Amino acid sequence: DAEITQSPRHKITETGRQVTLACHQTWNHNNMFWYRQDLGHGLRLIHYSYGVHDTNKGEVSDGYSVSRSNTEDLPLTLESAASSQTSVYFCASRLAKNTEAFFGQGTRLTVV
Amino acid sequence: DQQVKQNSPSLSVQEGRISILNCDYTNSMFDYFLWYKKYPAEGPTFLISISSIKDKNEDGRFTVFLNKSAKHLSLHIVPSQPGDSAVYFCAARGNNAGNMLTFGGGTRLMVKP
Repeated sequence: DAEITQSPRHKITETGRQVTLACHQTWNHNNMFWYRQDLGHGLRLIHYSYGVHDTNKGEVSDGYSVSRSNTEDLPLTLESAASSQTSVYFCASRLAKNTEAFFGQGTRLTVV
Repeated sequence: DQQVKQNSPSLSVQEGRISILNCDYTNSMFDYFLWYKKYPAEGPTFLISISSIKDKNEDGRFTVFLNKSAKHLSLHIVPSQPGDSAVYFCAARGNNAGNMLTFGGGTRLMVKP
């Protein structure tokens, strides 16, 4: 079955370290997204991509970057991790702009 | 400023009764609305949606109502079951080039046996 997977599921890192969260989908979806979930804020969009080599900033993009070298993967990089980036991160994908999005299981990141 | 708001962070309902989850939005450009359900340690899963040209959409025990003039939508679950206990997110999609989803803060539903 096609799916979307995130790794790692849990990560603890130190302030100032560079961290990369992986997202891989096997649906051949063009659109991919990264969200963070924080109490009281719901899901907030970090970055998104509509296809290979396309990346766009979302609502809370500061301190994050993404790259899209192929259709299947959209890794999220925290250039210099900060405690404010402790959160649960969700990757999502959708076939096209007018279709529903499917989410991965999430990565819980703790920055100490 | 949050464009999609779920003003009730939690809701407790008895099994068999109706659960009503509410969502308000401010952006009149939103033309499609979705509800996602999330269990602990899992990603959100799509539940039901409604286009802005409709005022009601039903799927089994789940019905979504849209009141465009009030910029309000609600999700009704009848009858509620313990397995419905989860966090429910309302999301809205804009009628723009990006068609991005904007999410509310979520409502935690607890259905008591």
